[in-house]
Amino acid sequence: NAGVMQNPRHLVRRRGQEARLRCSPMKGHSHVYWYRQLPEEGLKFMVYLQKENIIDESGMPKERFSAEFPKEGPSILRIQQVVRGDSAAYFCASSRPGQKLFFGSGTQLSVL
Amino acid sequence: AQSVTQLGSHVSVSEGALVLLRCNYSSSVPPYLFWYVQYPNQGLQLLLKYTSAATLVKGINGFEAEFKKSETSFHLTKPSAHMSDAAEYFCAVSAAGSNTGNQFYFGTGTSLTVIP
Repeated sequence: NAGVMQNPRHLVRRRGQEARLRCSPMKGHSHVYWYRQLPEEGLKFMVYLQKENIIDESGMPKERFSAEFPKEGPSILRIQQVVRGDSAAYFCASSRPGQKLFFGSGTQLSVL
Repeated sequence: AQSVTQLGSHVSVSEGALVLLRCNYSSSVPPYLFWYVQYPNQGLQLLLKYTSAATLVKGINGFEAEFKKSETSFHLTKPSAHMSDAAEYFCAVSAAGSNTGNQFYFGTGTSLTVIP
């Protein structure tokens, strides 16, 4: 049973480009969470999704960031018009309802 | 509201020595408390969790943590450090009864170095 798969592991973008981060949850997991890890700040919750629904996006910046978890396929975290401050590690976690979280290995986004 | 403070962003111990990583929390409701470990280039793994049962919680790899309500602490310990314990450790708190990740609040992490 494969774990939570995130790709790419490293993503380099220039300012103004779009970044798409993918997360495939563990088999049987219907809940997906995205976190951002900034140096000296630990992990911050961004968004919580179930299939085709955003449950809680209270941690998402109001502009440029969006997330989806379609019926088929991985969850996508999309950052439009990236800026240098978006450079961070982005982690995805998945779970069954009410069960513990399993984390992916993260995507390191670098904005030049 | 919940929050977590991890004292000491970097801790170094000699191999075989006691490991003590500090975590203090604040919570307006009885908390669930967690310790996660992040090995280099990997995601986080759950080490142990406290969910209002026994106050001394044993986790994987010989780690344990004790919930002390009077001190609002949940420090992580291991009697004898091993080289493979070198990693980043995160303490997290969530509202009681919640295992959903959107109600987790993580500390800033403590990087553990083990000296041979």
